[in-house]
Amino acid sequence: GAVVSQHPSRVICKSGTSVKIECRSLDFQATTMFWYRQFPKQSLMLMATSNEGSKATYEQGVEKDKFLINHASLTLSTLTVTSAHPEDSSFYICSAPDRATSAGELFFGEGSRLTVL
Amino acid sequence: DAKTTQPTSMDCAEGRAANLPCNHSTISGNEYVYWYRQIHSQGPQYIIHGLKNNETNEMASLIITEDRKSSTLILPHATLRDTAVYYCIVRVANTGNQFYFGTGTSLTVIP
Repeated sequence: GAVVSQHPSRVICKSGTSVKIECRSLDFQATTMFWYRQFPKQSLMLMATSNEGSKATYEQGVEKDKFLINHASLTLSTLTVTSAHPEDSSFYICSAPDRATSAGELFFGEGSRLTVL
Repeated sequence: DAKTTQPTSMDCAEGRAANLPCNHSTISGNEYVYWYRQIHSQGPQYIIHGLKNNETNEMASLIITEDRKSSTLILPHATLRDTAVYYCIVRVANTGNQFYFGTGTSLTVIP
């Protein structure tokens, strides 16, 4: 299947700092990417849809000024957690559909675990 | 919002078939059924998808009822590495459409 890669896999930061997470589609182009957040023992929660060349669309309750998304190219989307606080500590996962597949299956990155001290 | 319901947890003996049910009684005619699994602290892994017909690949089989209101994912010979949370998702097959995850089924394969 298609490959999606995230970086970094783990990051620890101090409260008040900003953290950037990169998501790359390695062997296909992705005009759309999705960002999810997952707290321990919970399911994945969709945060936003990243659109290449235009603004991201955010799910209800997700602060767009807190979670900045940039989809700079057809293979790269970034999520920046601004002024991070301990409650932002979570597992962040990106994903992208491969247009070449029959039903637009979603392929996921390995996830990025953020710990805010 | 998730449009599926799944049992919270299941156990399966190693080497036996694991049958994971999913109810999607409000599924629309153009919505596919997708199955993913997530092993602890990893990103979800695609397993299989289908629209109307039963499907099989190297990982699993998907059985969809004739009225499409429910489906079953079958892992024919479960191994310990199949221990994971399994998610059933329904979605129109458009690459711009979001995937919303429900609570999934936590499958434990027992030696």
